[in-house]
Amino acid sequence: QQQVKQSPQSLIVQKGGISIINCAYENTAFDYFPWYQQFPGKGPALLIAIRPDVSEKKEGRFTISFNKSAKQFSLHIMDSQPGDSATYFCAASHSNYQLIWGAGTKLIIKP
Amino acid sequence: KAGVTQTPRYLIKTRGQQVTLSCSPISGHRSVSWYQQTPGQGLQFLFEYFSETQRNKGNFPGRFSGRQFSNSRSEMNVSTLELGDSALYLCASSFGGDGYTFGSGTRLTVV
Repeated sequence: QQQVKQSPQSLIVQKGGISIINCAYENTAFDYFPWYQQFPGKGPALLIAIRPDVSEKKEGRFTISFNKSAKQFSLHIMDSQPGDSATYFCAASHSNYQLIWGAGTKLIIKP
Repeated sequence: KAGVTQTPRYLIKTRGQQVTLSCSPISGHRSVSWYQQTPGQGLQFLFEYFSETQRNKGNFPGRFSGRQFSNSRSEMNVSTLELGDSALYLCASSFGGDGYTFGSGTRLTVV
C-alpha cells in the first residue's frame, strides 16, 4: 500500500512533442505529490508538486494532472526539448513523512 | 543561499573497510534524509534525521548507520563494506519534511 508505481520505465519523444509520465498510488492518506528531475551526475531536483485539493498545476511547460478518484497523477512536458532529457521521479507522502518514490523514467528527447 | 553539500564527491574503498560520508544541509533545514541510488534499484531510502533524532528508517542492514549534529549536519557510516554497496549516496534536506533539496551525492565504489 506504500508503493508508488511509475510508468513507463523509459520514453523517447521527438523535439516539440508532449512527454507524459504516469504514476499510481494506493495509500489514500498521501497528500503531497512531487516530481523530481535528475540529470547525470547530479542529485534529483524538485520540478513541480501538487496537493490533492487541485486537479492540475502548471509551471511553464510542465503540468501535473491529478486524479484523486483513480489514485493517479501524471507529468506532462509540453514542447519537449533536448535539455529536458533526464530521469524523472514521482513521489508521494503524507503528513510530512518520508517520500515514497517511483522507480523513475528515463526520458530522451530526440532533436 | 548555499545548497546541500556532500563530501567527498568520489570515494574508492576496499571490501571490509568502513566509510563515513558527510552532508551539510541548507541553512535552517532541520530534516536530513539519506538515499542510496543504483541503476537497477532507483532511489532507496536509508534514514531520516530531524533535530538530531532518527525519525524514519529504511530497510537496510545495521551496517548502515547515521547521525545528525546540533548544527543539522549529518554523517552516514557504512561498516564492513561489500561490493554491492557501490552506489551513489544522496543526501536531501528540508525545512519541515517536504520540498526536499538534494546534494550532488557521493559516488562510492567498493573494490
